[in-house]
Amino acid sequence: QKEVEQDPGPLSVPEGAIVSLNCTYSNSAFQYFMWYRQYSRKGPELLMYTYSSGNKEDGRFTAQVDKSSKYISLFIRDSQPSDSATYLCAMSGQGGGADGLTFGKGTHLIIQP
Amino acid sequence: EAQVTQNPRYLITVTGKKLTVTCSQNMNHEYMSWYRQDPGLGLRQIYYSMNVEVTDKGDVPEGYKVSRKEKRNFPLILESPSPNQTSLYFCASSSSRGPYEQYFGPGTRLTVT
Repeated sequence: QKEVEQDPGPLSVPEGAIVSLNCTYSNSAFQYFMWYRQYSRKGPELLMYTYSSGNKEDGRFTAQVDKSSKYISLFIRDSQPSDSATYLCAMSGQGGGADGLTFGKGTHLIIQP
Repeated sequence: EAQVTQNPRYLITVTGKKLTVTCSQNMNHEYMSWYRQDPGLGLRQIYYSMNVEVTDKGDVPEGYKVSRKEKRNFPLILESPSPNQTSLYFCASSSSRGPYEQYFGPGTRLTVT
């Protein structure tokens, strides 16, 4: 079953706020979890990925995976107007992404200056 | 520079006129995919390929064809385009080894009148 749920937003927050973006999924076979950022009229670009459960931090970004709850999150600290974009979660199973990743529909994020 | 290229970037055509969108990657990736992106529907996979001469249907293959004669190229063919194929199309590639993150091209905006 290919199903990933993601709130489409838009989510509007003031500059400097902490942003929390989330996805839930139903397929327990998913092992790789990714976040993509997509600016308007551009292709998605990989932001972060994690394998299995746990946290991963990269600068202002932190990705969390809770496999027991089938829930993943992306936190953005000290948000900037340049973070305004659509954020897509994506995931694949242990067998690999031969049939591609399963994507959420994306959350449109707006950071107000 | 590692990249996925697509051409053309913009295309306006009429119903029934065959067209091809080219895709090329320079990362020696085994996996390649085509997606379409529509408002409210997110990214949907059209076709994917695991290697040369190996292709398979994704979630929305009707009205599309693909071929993979060379590892680097994966063209998308619309033999008789219809207005419901008006969309934003992305080609993507990934390695056959984890974590299977996909690298996306810049997109092709197709309008069928």
